[in-house]
Amino acid sequence: QAMLTQPASLSASPGASVSLTCTLRSGINIDSYRIYWYQQKPGSPPQYLLRYKSDSDKQLGSGVPRRFSGSKDAPANAGILLISGLQSEDEADYYCMIWHSSTSVVFGGGTTLTVL
Amino acid sequence: QLQESGPGLMKPSETLSLTCTVSGGPMSSYYWSWIRQPPGKGLEWIGSIYYSGSTNYNTSLKSRVTMSVDTSKNQFSLKLSSVTAADTGVYYCARVQTSSAAFDSWGQGSLVTVSS
Repeated sequence: QAMLTQPASLSASPGASVSLTCTLRSGINIDSYRIYWYQQKPGSPPQYLLRYKSDSDKQLGSGVPRRFSGSKDAPANAGILLISGLQSEDEADYYCMIWHSSTSVVFGGGTTLTVL
Repeated sequence: QLQESGPGLMKPSETLSLTCTVSGGPMSSYYWSWIRQPPGKGLEWIGSIYYSGSTNYNTSLKSRVTMSVDTSKNQFSLKLSSVTAADTGVYYCARVQTSSAAFDSWGQGSLVTVSS
């Protein structure tokens, strides 16, 4: 079982709000990790969006619109990337990431977001 | 800014050598990383190196990976031995932001194709 699981694809309409999930494998507690989110558009490197662990431990990346925010669903052991006021330019692949054991990086498989 | 340079096309069993040149700031006090992406697939962390030379590698690649840093040239490098077609993909170098541990700056990526 992968350490971080993301839905393969998601679609939403312009102006809507959408939640992208990143579920941690059983035994890995969401409360112990900062979840990082990256956006990648075709032909470009990923760009850092934000990190979220708690409301007191979060950071929005430089230049990232406040339409992007993070949260978590503790009972589901999942991190959440919330995009509000969806725009066509938000169509991209989104990856979650954690630092595991402080020295190793794990990425989720990525979610392709389509803005219909 | 980060810029990767590499061979482009390789044959199976050869050793991949990539260099990332860092411009616009010092290498000191940062971790530097290599991340790859097979065609049409997700991101995979290869490893990280501190400016002092200490390293951490992905356990799945550890036996084939060597990373080094040359702060006098503002460069860090990746060597991956015994490559196969499964090593084909875009290789990114990235900087780890000290305060947040996010990959806050990425190179444009270097496509490496392994084919006989």
